[in-house]
Amino acid sequence: AQSVSQHNHHVILSEAASLELGCNYSYGGTVNLFWYVQYPGQHLQLLLKYFSGDPLVKGIKGFEAEFIKSKFSFNLRKPSVQWSDTAEYFCAVFSAVGGNEKLTFGTGTRLTIIP
Amino acid sequence: DAGITQSPRHKVTETGTPVTLRCHQTENHRYMYWYRQDPGHGLRLIHYSYGVKDTDKGEVSDGYSVSRSKTEDFLLTLESATSSQTSVYFCAVGEGREQYFGPGTRLTVT
Repeated sequence: AQSVSQHNHHVILSEAASLELGCNYSYGGTVNLFWYVQYPGQHLQLLLKYFSGDPLVKGIKGFEAEFIKSKFSFNLRKPSVQWSDTAEYFCAVFSAVGGNEKLTFGTGTRLTIIP
Repeated sequence: DAGITQSPRHKVTETGTPVTLRCHQTENHRYMYWYRQDPGHGLRLIHYSYGVKDTDKGEVSDGYSVSRSKTEDFLLTLESATSSQTSVYFCAVGEGREQYFGPGTRLTVT
């Protein structure tokens, strides 16, 4: 069965600091990976996705993620964070087994940016 | 936003009462999903639907049932609510690998 691990539960950074949030997955099929962001009081929004090709993917708001197959990782990065990046971030892996399609989410990382 | 609405947005109910949450979409997505979000657990799949009258269980389906009689509506029912079902419930729709989420329903069971 697929699983996703996010080891950083709460990260606190100052504005302009660089960010890297870890995500490791376990899945034996074709890998489709996602990062979602949830701003306070809002629903989840897609930040970026990896299906195939260039392992470095760029998303909205200056975020990027690198798929490293050998490490089963899909870490999220941003070179310089802003106060508005305060949110919860979820990594997810897509699976399609027996025709049933679903996302499996990690437990999330809460990011707090200090002005 | 994929035209997703959820109702109600907030609900407080008592233990043992039935509760139905509604998800409505306007873009005819084939797949619809119900998740619950709890601190320390992220989002966990309750049930999902891959077409009208076609549903299947997710990883935390006990105590929940669903129905989908029309493409646009996916109902989640708690037959007899318990305090452990206090949570935020998100509906999502998808076509293939991408899912789009609704605004959520905050349910409190007292």
